[in-house]
Amino acid sequence: DVKVTQSSRYLVKRTGEKVFLECVQDMDHENMFWYRQDPGLGLRLIYFSYDVKMKEKGDIPEGYSVSREKKERFSLILESASTNQTSMYLCASSLLQHSSYEQYFGPGTRLTVT
Amino acid sequence: DQQVKQNSPSLSVQEGRISILNCDYTNSMFDYFLWYKKYPAEGPTFLISISSIKDKNEDGRFTVFLNKSAKHLSLHIVPSQPGDSAVYFCAASFTGNQFYFGTGTSLTVIP
Repeated sequence: DVKVTQSSRYLVKRTGEKVFLECVQDMDHENMFWYRQDPGLGLRLIYFSYDVKMKEKGDIPEGYSVSREKKERFSLILESASTNQTSMYLCASSLLQHSSYEQYFGPGTRLTVT
Repeated sequence: DQQVKQNSPSLSVQEGRISILNCDYTNSMFDYFLWYKKYPAEGPTFLISISSIKDKNEDGRFTVFLNKSAKHLSLHIVPSQPGDSAVYFCAASFTGNQFYFGTGTSLTVIP
């Protein structure tokens, strides 16, 4: 069974703080993704990574950065948190090969920025 | 601009009847589609997929239909069960890596 874990289920931070969200997968997947989920907007891709030290911007990268130093770990960084970054953050991983595009999701981190 | 749309935010169905969830997309380059199911406080879980070379894919009670000319796909659940109550997202891709998700449809199956 693929397991994607996220470091926190709930997080409360103050405006201007630097925030780290960690994601770890245990299935040796090449691809990893960070999404945010907001009511009425569905899941929107922030960043993704095909390999260690590789990253690609998604649809809404502004205000975020990522780090992938090891294959199993993908971190999302909010350099200076703002209230409009209050959201549910979901990490996912998948295989690179064409045969299966299924993404496996973690349980999510509910971030509140006050 | 939303490339994948689920125009029904919610749907209620009696247990045992058919649930039909719809999804429209705008990009004709999309060639792979997925449906995910999401319970509250959990991450989405994969349900069923279809590639553009097919027009139907079936897995147990779940069937996905793809109409490429209409840029429309639908998920049929027969028979619907109370445990199917969840939010359903469709997603589309033309690279196999980056997927575009719809806004979700909340399905309630009434016992």
